[in-house]
Amino acid sequence: AQKVTQAQTEISVVEKEDVTLDCVYETRDTTYYLFWYKQPPSGELVFLIRRNSFDEQNEISGRYSWNFQKSTSSFNFTITASQVVDSAVYFCALRESGYSTLTFGKGTMLLVSP
Amino acid sequence: EAGVAQSPRYKIIEKRQSVAFWCNPISGHATLYWYQQILGQGPKLLIQFQNNGVVDDSQLPKDRFSAERLKGVDSTLKIQPAKLEDSAVYLCASSHGQANYEQYFGPGTRLTVT
Repeated sequence: AQKVTQAQTEISVVEKEDVTLDCVYETRDTTYYLFWYKQPPSGELVFLIRRNSFDEQNEISGRYSWNFQKSTSSFNFTITASQVVDSAVYFCALRESGYSTLTFGKGTMLLVSP
Repeated sequence: EAGVAQSPRYKIIEKRQSVAFWCNPISGHATLYWYQQILGQGPKLLIQFQNNGVVDDSQLPKDRFSAERLKGVDSTLKIQPAKLEDSAVYLCASSHGQANYEQYFGPGTRLTVT
């Protein structure tokens, strides 16, 4: 059975600090997809990134970067120079190949204070 | 392009009452999902439609929950009768197709059952 664990329930940082959100997953499938979503206070889940299991290259998008390591079944998310607008709940999710179902972690609430 | 629309945004009812939520997906999206997000947890899939047919409703509590997508466009999720544990945010998402397409989420309906 697939499972996603986000061990950090809540993280508080001061603006401009770097912060890393951890995600560990479990799956028996050899082909799968990993996602990060942002949920601001408005409630809407905003798609941030999708990574498939064959692509272990790290990705950088502006202040955001993702570190995918199959050896440790982790897909961590780093925000560099955090801003107050980054305050939200962040979810990591897993989808196995051929299926639409997303399995979400419990989320990490990030609070960035000025 | 308009996003996924949901209404109402908030609803408060007493236990044993009935409630209905409405979702209008992104134009052209064949697949529609309803998720339940209990406070402090990640979203959990309730039901998935492909056009007007049900693909997966394995986690839908069918004794009290029902959903339909009669014309393959908008969808309604109903709870009858509601229980206290149904208090949650109900998220609707849509995608072009199944499996290998991104899911786009609406703002959700926050239900409080008293």
